[in-house]
Amino acid sequence: QSVLTQPPSASGTPGQRVTISCSGSSSNIGSYSVSWYQHFPGTAPKLLIYNNNQRPSGVPDRFSGSKSGTSASLAISGLQSEDEADYYCAAWDDSLSDDYVFGTGTKVTVL
Amino acid sequence: QVQLVQSGAEVKKPGASVKVSCKASGYTFTGYAMQWVRQAPGQRPEWMGWINGGNSNTKYSQKFQGRVTLTRDASASTAYMELSSLTAEDTAVYYCAREPLVGATQFDYWGQGTRVTVSS
Repeated sequence: QSVLTQPPSASGTPGQRVTISCSGSSSNIGSYSVSWYQHFPGTAPKLLIYNNNQRPSGVPDRFSGSKSGTSASLAISGLQSEDEADYYCAAWDDSLSDDYVFGTGTKVTVL
Repeated sequence: QVQLVQSGAEVKKPGASVKVSCKASGYTFTGYAMQWVRQAPGQRPEWMGWINGGNSNTKYSQKFQGRVTLTRDASASTAYMELSSLTAEDTAVYYCAREPLVGATQFDYWGQGTRVTVSS
């Protein structure tokens, strides 16, 4: 499976800004829009960002996404304790068989 | 409100098949696709395939091609995922997720997940 690479962990104190990167290639991020999902273990993933930088209704504007070339990033500003979760980027990939691929995941810890 | 309610946990023996259901409510089932994603313990989510709720067209991940079958019953607003020839590596939580048929990719609502355990 094609890899969207994320740092395994990120952390910050309450109120800080945390940024998570997602590195891909021309067959995925370079060609398709990126989504970001928040996942608390034992619950269903939640869509945070779609189409690179769009927030679904109900998602706080503390969460923002961006994309440049073959990389994307998710920023969490004003970090809160309830933001402690796993975060995954995702995009379509046409390198082999048009699969939808998820990133390696980043665990965000609020110190 | 949009809800996706999945069937309960399953325990299967190697070589068996499992069929997971996903009942949708709160929206027009035929206007959306249903995606299927699984997550094994300690692993990233893994996309399995999708089915068009309107015309039943399907697309499968190459990894699962030949082992997974996605179907839907539009009259019951329910989608199904059947996975055959199970092995221990198929132990995971299986999710359905709604996706609009038009516009940017977004798995905007998810089911609660169905835990499938494969063990002899």
